[in-house]
Parts: sequence; structure tokens; C-alpha cells
Amino acid sequence: SQQGEEDPQALSIQEGENATMNCSYKTSINNLQWYRQNSGRGLVHLILIRSNEREKHSGRLRVTLDTSKKSSSLLITASRAADTASYFCAYNAGNMLTFGGGTRLMVKP
Amino acid sequence: DAGITQSPRYKITETGRQVTLMCHQTWSHSYMFWYRQDLGHGLRLIYYSAAADITDKGEVPDGYVVSRSKTENFPLTLESATRSQTSVYFCASSGQIWTEAFFGQGTRLTVV
Repeated sequence: SQQGEEDPQALSIQEGENATMNCSYKTSINNLQWYRQNSGRGLVHLILIRSNEREKHSGRLRVTLDTSKKSSSLLITASRAADTASYFCAYNAGNMLTFGGGTRLMVKP
Repeated sequence: DAGITQSPRYKITETGRQVTLMCHQTWSHSYMFWYRQDLGHGLRLIYYSAAADITDKGEVPDGYVVSRSKTENFPLTLESATRSQTSVYFCASSGQIWTEAFFGQGTRLTVV
């Protein structure tokens, strides 16, 4: 499979805590993206990091990329109950956009 | 309405029947994608298209056919539906290569 892998598969935390999700991939990439999916809905783009970048911030989101290890992490700081969702990494290799298996995040109030 | 829309939202079909899932986007995006989402497998790419009349296989193309005669439409056809094709199907589009993709709301297909 060309899919990336995400770790952990599920994560449960208390509101206010930080949540970290990791993504590993197998090929050389042009960029890596993170998406969010609420239950029963389509995916929504969160952030994109290019292969020549190492870290990127957007609001409470922080993404890192280590191309030597073929891995990325998504940190959500000061989590809220509304952050409960599934989070997917996705990467461009050629014209394809390939997704990881996702992390299910539950934030308890 | 602006955006990307899929139809139908829900579909039940019988084994062996042909079924077509529709995807329409109003942005004139060049790239369009079809994914299936199954528990334990995340999203898997079925087919993608870089422009009208240009389509390519993704990770799991067997049993599916696509066409793209117009930039805004990218229908996905299951020529002879099987139970293993029971899944949630998502269509997505992006304006340029290596930019964010926009997803439809999905079509839940059940093959009985």
C-alpha cells in the first residue's frame, strides 16, 4: 500500500490539554497536508507544509515535517471539545494525493 | 450553489448492477479525485484526473470506471457492483497540483 500511517489510531484527552498526532509516509513528497473530518462529513483542509519547510503554525495548530525520517506531526494546543474529529495527513507524490489512516481524537469537556 | 457536490448522498443497489456516482464542482479546478473510505483503511484513492479527458488510476481502481468530458464533472461508475464496494465515496478537487483539496459530503453506497 502507498498509504501513510498515522499514530496513534485513537487519542482521548481532556479539554485544555495538547494533542499530538504523527504521520509517516513511504515516498518522496512535494508537500504534506493535514485534514480534519467530523463524523459523517467530508474532509476539511487544515494546513499544508512544503517539503522544504520544517515547521508551520496556524492558530492552535503546529505542524512539523522531517523529510529525512519521512514523518510529520500535528500538534493541537489547548484542545477544545469542538476539536473532536478524525485527523488525516495527506501527501502529494506526483499527481496523486495519498492519505494516511487517520487519528480519531476525542476531547472530553 | 458554489462548491463541490456529490449525488446521491445515499444509494442502495444490488450486486451486479451498474451504478454511477456523480461529482460536480463549480470552481473550474483542474484536479479531481475519487476516494473510498472504509473502516480500518482510511481513504484510498480510486481514480484521479489532472484535466478534462485525462484520468489515471489510483491505489484501488479495479471495478471502477471514470470519465471527465467536462472540467466540472467527474462521475464514478461501478460497472457491476459487488458487496466489497460497499463504502463511503468522496470526491475532491483542487485548483493546482500540490494545493489543498476540497471535498464533497460523500456518498454512502450499500451493495446488497
